[in-house]
Amino acid sequence: DAKTTQPPSMDCAEGRAANLPCNHSTISGNEYVYWYRQIHSQGPQYIIHGLKNNETNEMASLIITEDRKSSTLILPHATLRDTAVYYCIFISNFGNEKLTFGTGTRLTIIP
Amino acid sequence: DTGVSQNPRHKITKRGQNVTFRCDPISEHNRLYWYRQTLGQGPEFLTYFQNEAQLEKSRLLSDRFSAERPKGSFSTLEIQRTEQGDSAMYLCASSLDRSRGPSNQPQHFGDGTRLSIL
Repeated sequence: DAKTTQPPSMDCAEGRAANLPCNHSTISGNEYVYWYRQIHSQGPQYIIHGLKNNETNEMASLIITEDRKSSTLILPHATLRDTAVYYCIFISNFGNEKLTFGTGTRLTIIP
Repeated sequence: DTGVSQNPRHKITKRGQNVTFRCDPISEHNRLYWYRQTLGQGPEFLTYFQNEAQLEKSRLLSDRFSAERPKGSFSTLEIQRTEQGDSAMYLCASSLDRSRGPSNQPQHFGDGTRLSIL
């Protein structure tokens, strides 16, 4: 199973940038890094994904190190609604793309 | 809202009863996935369909579990003779496969059906 390592919890002040790290040292060349988040009592929500280049969308930015062994999800201006569990996952570009979730990082935005 | 829809949102039943959940994927999504999530854990893969074909089943999916997607649109997940350990959130997700769009189509999840076994 694809393995990622994330801190179990983090706090961030409202309005500040939240930087969530993820280690994926066993990632291979054809595997993408995906980030999802799950707000209490809801299903996981797709945030962003990337292969080797940094990516940005309306929700977040994804920074992937050059060796691709780690990445950081950045929420530029965190709001209280960003309080959630954030999951980093890597999956192959081939096959059925089933997602293997770990326990994620519980991010708490502090007012 | 044209997202993934799951019904019911909550189901409470007695041990030994059968239950069935329904998932309506995003229209035109030909892949459909079922996951199970227990308290404090991330979702775990159960099975997935490409159109009406069930292509993979996890070892978590015991003989008491059956999933169908008869016309390649909505799907049902049935649990027979429910047990206490079946209490969990059952999540459905859908996506396009790579042949119908850019590579690596993300999966989009519904809000799940929470099953409680008394």
